Amino acid sequence: QTVVTQESTLSVSPGGTVTLTCGLTTGSVSTTNYPSWYQQTPGHPPRTLISTTNIRSSGVPDRFSGSILGNKAALTISGAQAEDESDYYCVLYMGNYIWVFGGGSKLTVL
Amino acid sequence: QVHLVESGGGVAQPGGSLRLSCAASGVTPPHSGIHWVRQAPGKGLDWMAFMHYEGSGISYTDSVRGRFTISRDNSKNTMYLQMNSLKPEDTAIYYCVHGESYAFHLWGQGTQVTVSS
Repeated sequence: QTVVTQESTLSVSPGGTVTLTCGLTTGSVSTTNYPSWYQQTPGHPPRTLISTTNIRSSGVPDRFSGSILGNKAALTISGAQAEDESDYYCVLYMGNYIWVFGGGSKLTVL
Repeated sequence: QVHLVESGGGVAQPGGSLRLSCAASGVTPPHSGIHWVRQAPGKGLDWMAFMHYEGSGISYTDSVRGRFTISRDNSKNTMYLQMNSLKPEDTAIYYCVHGESYAFHLWGQGTQVTVSS
């Protein structure tokens, strides 16, 4: 069974740059997985950040960007701010109307 | 502007059933539909099921296939998730999510489902 992998925890200094990745236990992530990214703070529903690899949702600051890096999808935060401290989830489309979420990454800004 | 209103959560006994509802307005059917995503206490997001607003696309994750059924009532613009044979591990917040172009674009507020004797 294919599992979507994410870093469990990451940290970044305020103003710094951090890259979160989203991979597969078998195979490579490509644009045909239509990777998307979501931000969630405790007690709230997720917020959509990025869809279809690199399309920012309305209202999402341009310090958030999506890409494919090597064999993984990536979410890069450039110029991190305190309010970016959250959980981040990626999801991949696996074909046949099946989607799989990664386990999530907890980002600390300190 | 898509708007989602969820209802139907609550407490059920193991082996019991619940039906969740998701009333959707402002949707544009082509290439879009409703997902159900759940989040167990202290855990991550878990995709459960998908249905196109119109057409033939219906799918489930392995852990709920055969127990959960997604359906719709077009006259009420409402999608449903019928959950049968509930297990304690089904305890979670269940989110109705508007999906478009392979992404999850608008999340409902979530409804709590607790399975306990």
